[in-house]
Amino acid sequence: EAAVTQSPRSKVAVTGGKVTLSCHQTNNHDYMYWYRQDTGHGLRLIHYSYVADSTEKGDIPDGYKASRPSQENFSLILELASLSQTAVYFCASSGTGTNTGQLYFGEGSKLTVL
Amino acid sequence: GQQVQQSPASLVLQEGENAELQCNFSSTATQLQWFYQSPGGSLVSLLSNPSGTKHTGRLTSTTVTKERRSSLHISSSQTTDSGTYLCAIAPMSNYNVLYFGSGTKLTVEP
Repeated sequence: EAAVTQSPRSKVAVTGGKVTLSCHQTNNHDYMYWYRQDTGHGLRLIHYSYVADSTEKGDIPDGYKASRPSQENFSLILELASLSQTAVYFCASSGTGTNTGQLYFGEGSKLTVL
Repeated sequence: GQQVQQSPASLVLQEGENAELQCNFSSTATQLQWFYQSPGGSLVSLLSNPSGTKHTGRLTSTTVTKERRSSLHISSSQTTDSGTYLCAIAPMSNYNVLYFGSGTKLTVEP
């Protein structure tokens, strides 16, 4: 069974603070993704990566940075957290990209910015 | 931007009834996937069906690419089917990005 683990699972941050969400996969997958989900809405893609040391912008990258130091790890960084970034964040991995491959999701990280 | 519309927004069934969920999208899609989100929030991929009809267990998806729509049929619903069903497409213009609809919240009552 494919495994994607996220940390922390829940975090409260202050406005203007720095937040780092981490994701680790043991699937040996090339593709990794960060999505955010707002209450009552679907997921929106923030950043993705298909190879270590390289990241790509998704649909809503503003206010977020991503880092892919190795195939297994993918981080999402909020340098200056804002109230509007309160959401649940999901990491996912895929072997061949979303065009052809199945997505495996982590359990989500609930971020509350106060 | 890309738009994925799902209907109905919510659906309540009695156990054993069938469910029909709809997904309409505004762009030509190279990929269409259905996901299930549990009441606790975890997400799993159900099936991938960019065109035609695909079956898996009690699920049947039919996608008509030219008409930019897809449906997910759940037969003989069970209480454990309760949750939110999300449709997502990868448009031809940017096939690395999946765009999600807001989902259909299904409640199956005993």
